[in-house]
Amino acid sequence: QQQVKQSPQSLIVQKGGISIINCAYENTAFDYFPWYQQFPGKGPALLIAIRPDVSEKKEGRFTISFNKSAKQFSLHIMDSQPGDSATYFCAASGSFTGGGNKLTFGTGTQLKVEL
Amino acid sequence: KAGVTQTPRYLIKTRGQQVTLSCSPISGHRSVSWYQQTPGQGLQFLFEYFSETQRNKGNFPGRFSGRQFSNSRSEMNVSTLELGDSALYLCASSLDRGSNQPQHFGDGTRLSIL
Repeated sequence: QQQVKQSPQSLIVQKGGISIINCAYENTAFDYFPWYQQFPGKGPALLIAIRPDVSEKKEGRFTISFNKSAKQFSLHIMDSQPGDSATYFCAASGSFTGGGNKLTFGTGTQLKVEL
Repeated sequence: KAGVTQTPRYLIKTRGQQVTLSCSPISGHRSVSWYQQTPGQGLQFLFEYFSETQRNKGNFPGRFSGRQFSNSRSEMNVSTLELGDSALYLCASSLDRGSNQPQHFGDGTRLSIL
C-alpha cells in the first residue's frame, strides 16, 4: 500500500517534443505528490509538486496532471531540451501515522532528449 | 541562501567499520530526513528528525542511527558496515514537519564499502 509505481523506466524524446512520465499509487492517504529531477553526481532537485485537490499544476515547461479517482499522476515536459536529460522521480507523502515528511519514491525514469 | 550541505562527499570504508555522515540543512529549516539511494532498491527513507527527536523511521536495521542537534544539523551513523551498505546517502531538509512540506536534498555522501 505504500508503493508508488513509475513508468516508463527509460524514455527517449526528440528535442522540442513532449516527455510524459506516469506514476500510480495505492495509498489514498497520500496527500502530496512531488517530482524530482536528478543529474549524475547530484542530489534530487524538487521540480514541481501537487496536492490531490488540484487536477493540474503548471510551472514553466513542466506540468503535473493528477487523477484522484484513478490514483495516478503524471509529469509532462513540454518543448523538451537536451538539458532536460536526467532521471526523474515521482514521490508521495501523507499525514498519516508513519507519514509526515517521509517520501515514498517511484523507481525513476531515465530521460534522454536527442537533438 | 545556501542549500543542504553534506559532508564528506565520498567515503571509503571496510566491512565491520563504522561511519558518521553529516548534514547541514538550509538555514531556518527544522526538519531533516535521510534517504539511501542504490541502483537496486532506489530511494528509501531512513529516518526523520525534528526538534532533536527522531519522528519517523524507515525499515532499516538498528545499525543505522542518527541524531539532530539544537541548530538542526544532523548526523547519521552506520555501525558494523556491510558490503550492502554501499550507497549514496542523501539528506533532505524542510521548513517544518508535515506531508506537504517541500523537501530539498543535498548532493549526498557516496559511501563505498570494500
